[in-house]
Amino acid sequence: SQQGEEDPQALSIQEGENATMNCSYKTSINNLQWYRQNSGRGLVHLILIRSNEREKHSGRLRVTLDTSKKSSSLLITASRAADTASYFCATLGGGNDYKLSFGAGTTVTVRA
Amino acid sequence: NAGVTQTPKFQVLKTGQSMTLQCAQDMNHEYMSWYRQDPGMGLRLIHYSVGAGITDQGEVPNGYNVSRSTTEDFPLRLLSAAPSQTSVYFCASSLSESGARGFGPGTRLTVL
Repeated sequence: SQQGEEDPQALSIQEGENATMNCSYKTSINNLQWYRQNSGRGLVHLILIRSNEREKHSGRLRVTLDTSKKSSSLLITASRAADTASYFCATLGGGNDYKLSFGAGTTVTVRA
Repeated sequence: NAGVTQTPKFQVLKTGQSMTLQCAQDMNHEYMSWYRQDPGMGLRLIHYSVGAGITDQGEVPNGYNVSRSTTEDFPLRLLSAAPSQTSVYFCASSLSESGARGFGPGTRLTVL
């Protein structure tokens, strides 16, 4: 079963605005990863955040992790048309569980 | 490096036919996995391997076989194709079990 659930399912914003999407999960994790998928393409890794980290940045991306609430958020600042894509969170289970489980994703449309 | 390569890109099968989806990586990654992606859903793990000679089942393994005779290759076999196996299949690899996955471009499979 899918571990992570993204919210919202879809998001439409104007170029230059910020986009925020959330991910909730059910069980303890080793790390949480965010991926982007452009239409018809494979997934591209964006950020990996470990269970003992609270925030990570990469360029215009900011990821937070709250293990007490079992939730994470991805913020894209100053969005561009090229950010139009689906974004997925994926959780890696704790212990020796090396299965990376994906949520259903958030589809982001950036309007010019 | 070519990264993760998958062949074929597209395939149409008739119910009951068998075929092998190929996946190769040239990064000396120990961990490889297969996912399927259905419309509106995230990726679901089919099988994975933590190294040559070692494979294990993911979330949806029924109807699929894998083997890992070399570090580079991780083929996925459909034994007797069914319409329910119509999907986009992605292969992924990573240096370690807990690391970020690099994905191939996908194989779009239709079973009639």
